Amino acid sequence: AQTVTQSQPEMSVQEAETVTLSCTYDTSENNYYLFWYKQPPSRQMILVIRQEAYKQQNATENRFSVNFQKAAKSFSLKISDSQLGDTAMYFCAFMKWGAQKLVFGQGTRLTINP
Amino acid sequence: KAGVTQTPRYLIKTRGQQVTLSCSPISGHRSVSWYQQTPGQGLQFLFEYFSETQRNKGNFPGRFSGRQFSNSRSEMNVSTLELGDSALYLCASSLSDSISGANVLTFGAGSRLTVL
Repeated sequence: AQTVTQSQPEMSVQEAETVTLSCTYDTSENNYYLFWYKQPPSRQMILVIRQEAYKQQNATENRFSVNFQKAAKSFSLKISDSQLGDTAMYFCAFMKWGAQKLVFGQGTRLTINP
Repeated sequence: KAGVTQTPRYLIKTRGQQVTLSCSPISGHRSVSWYQQTPGQGLQFLFEYFSETQRNKGNFPGRFSGRQFSNSRSEMNVSTLELGDSALYLCASSLSDSISGANVLTFGAGSRLTVL
């Protein structure tokens, strides 16, 4: 069974700063996907970024980028030039290739202060 | 393009009652999955349906059931409600391109169930 661990329950940074959220996972699978989802107070779960395990290049989406270390089973999210709208719960999630089941971490509550 | 629609958004039930939640996926999406979110247990997978068939099921008691219709809309039902069933129930849909394995789940806003 796969497990996902987010070791930072809460984080707080100032607007425009860079922040990194940590995630580690455990799996015996070789083909899989990793995701970061954000859940603002509105509760809508929104995809932030996705990484395919077979790709060595780290995924990037505008201000969001990941540091994917497959051997270490680590998948951290970096948010650059943080904005007030980035305030949300951030969930790291694992999906086995070909499956439709996400395994989520416990989440990190991120607050961006003005 | 309309997103994933869940109804109702909020509901209150008492112990012993049953509840049915509805989910309309994004047009063209054939896979619908359900998750339970609670402060204590976090986000947990309930089940996933594709073409009216349950393909995957999480570790929940038989009181939790679901189904999918020919138009891909899905419902989940919880019978004999317990206080611990109070949660946010999230539905997600995807194209489920199982050949490529490239799956992205799009979530609805959730149904907040309170059991008294």
